[in-house]
Amino acid sequence: DAGVIQSPRHEVTEMGQEVTLRCKPISGHNSLFWYRQTMMRGLELLIYFNNNVPIDDSGMPEDRFSAKMPNASFSTLKIQPSEPRDSAVYFCASSFGEGLIRETQYFGPGTRLLVL
Amino acid sequence: SQQGEEDPQALSIQEGENATMNCSYKTSINNLQWYRQNSGRGLVHLILIRSNEREKHSGRLRVTLDTSKKSSSLLITASRAADTASYFCAEGGSEKLVFGKGTKLTVNP
Repeated sequence: DAGVIQSPRHEVTEMGQEVTLRCKPISGHNSLFWYRQTMMRGLELLIYFNNNVPIDDSGMPEDRFSAKMPNASFSTLKIQPSEPRDSAVYFCASSFGEGLIRETQYFGPGTRLLVL
Repeated sequence: SQQGEEDPQALSIQEGENATMNCSYKTSINNLQWYRQNSGRGLVHLILIRSNEREKHSGRLRVTLDTSKKSSSLLITASRAADTASYFCAEGGSEKLVFGKGTKLTVNP
């Protein structure tokens, strides 16, 4: 099993540019989560999907952030335009569960984003 | 904020000693989970304890849960240098997990 796959692993961009982060969840998992981690704020949940449908995007900082999950095996997190304060490590995680309770989450290696 | 808290924020011990980390949470949980994060890596699930359980073991890990106090503890026995990492608790009450800010554990050889 390949685990959760994220790309790119590192991204350096200039303020104002569009950034797209990609995630492939573990096959068979029906929930996908996007997190952001910084020293100041810790691990923050940005958005999560269940069966490809966005369930809760209350953690998305502002309209510059958007996420999609066009199918069960792929999701993107887009930042447009990017700002220096978006610099962080972005994690994707997936899990499987029935009903409303989610149990173990499996994390990808993360994308380290630096916006200059 | 719904975010729980780990205590202490940082812990430094010698190899072979036991390490205890505590977690206080805020919501009504279905389960409480512990994760480990090595520097520069993603989080890795360690152990899950359900709300009707009081103690659980996995190898050198022992987790306790006190729902009346909304607290949990993680004990790592006979620590090794490879246990150096950040440890997070996560409240599992619904579709999403709520993570604490973590305890940074350093095990000195």
